[in-house]
Amino acid sequence: AQKITQTQPGMFVQEKEAVTLDCTYDTSDPSYGLFWYKQPSSGEMIFLIYQGSYDQQNATEGRYSLNFQKARKSANLVISASQLGDSAMYFCAMRDDRNTGGFKTIFGAGTRLFVKA
Amino acid sequence: DGGITQSPKYLFRKEGQNVTLSCEQNLNHDAMYWYRQDPGQGLRLIYYSQIVNDFQKGDIAEGYSVSREKKESFPLTVTSAQKNPTAFYLCASSATGNPYNEQFFGPGTRLTVL
Repeated sequence: AQKITQTQPGMFVQEKEAVTLDCTYDTSDPSYGLFWYKQPSSGEMIFLIYQGSYDQQNATEGRYSLNFQKARKSANLVISASQLGDSAMYFCAMRDDRNTGGFKTIFGAGTRLFVKA
Repeated sequence: DGGITQSPKYLFRKEGQNVTLSCEQNLNHDAMYWYRQDPGQGLRLIYYSQIVNDFQKGDIAEGYSVSREKKESFPLTVTSAQKNPTAFYLCASSATGNPYNEQFFGPGTRLTVL
């Protein structure tokens, strides 16, 4: 069965430092997509970055990068130069072709990031 | 501006009452979704729709119902059969064609049953 695991309930990072949020996944489908979303205290979900299972290079979007290790089934989010506004919940998610054409996304339990001034 | 709107932001309901949560999008997306989020947890899929007049149950559909009469709208009804409806409800949409298009989320509705 498909599964997303985020083992860090909470993380602290000093402002301007980098932080890595862990995500491991499980799927038997060779074709899948991995997503990271940010959820501030306001509640809305903000899309950050996407990695396809066939992508040869790790995805990057500004200060966000995804450390994709396919053999280990991990898709860790790296945030560089942390800012106070990065304090939020972060969710890893996966969608694969087995889920009725790829429209069903499963989410991890999330990691709450605290950025210290 | 293109986006997804959900109303109301906060909703209170008495036990035994049905209540409908609104979700509207002007992104011209074919696919729409409803998720439930409980405190400190991730999102769980309630229902999704890939096209008008068609929708599918997600992982926790019991006690919920939806309709998709228009492309822009995907209302969710929380019925009295839902035993523990107090939660945060998020609506999302995505383009089709590429199943790995990201989902865009609305601001959410926080439902409290009194």
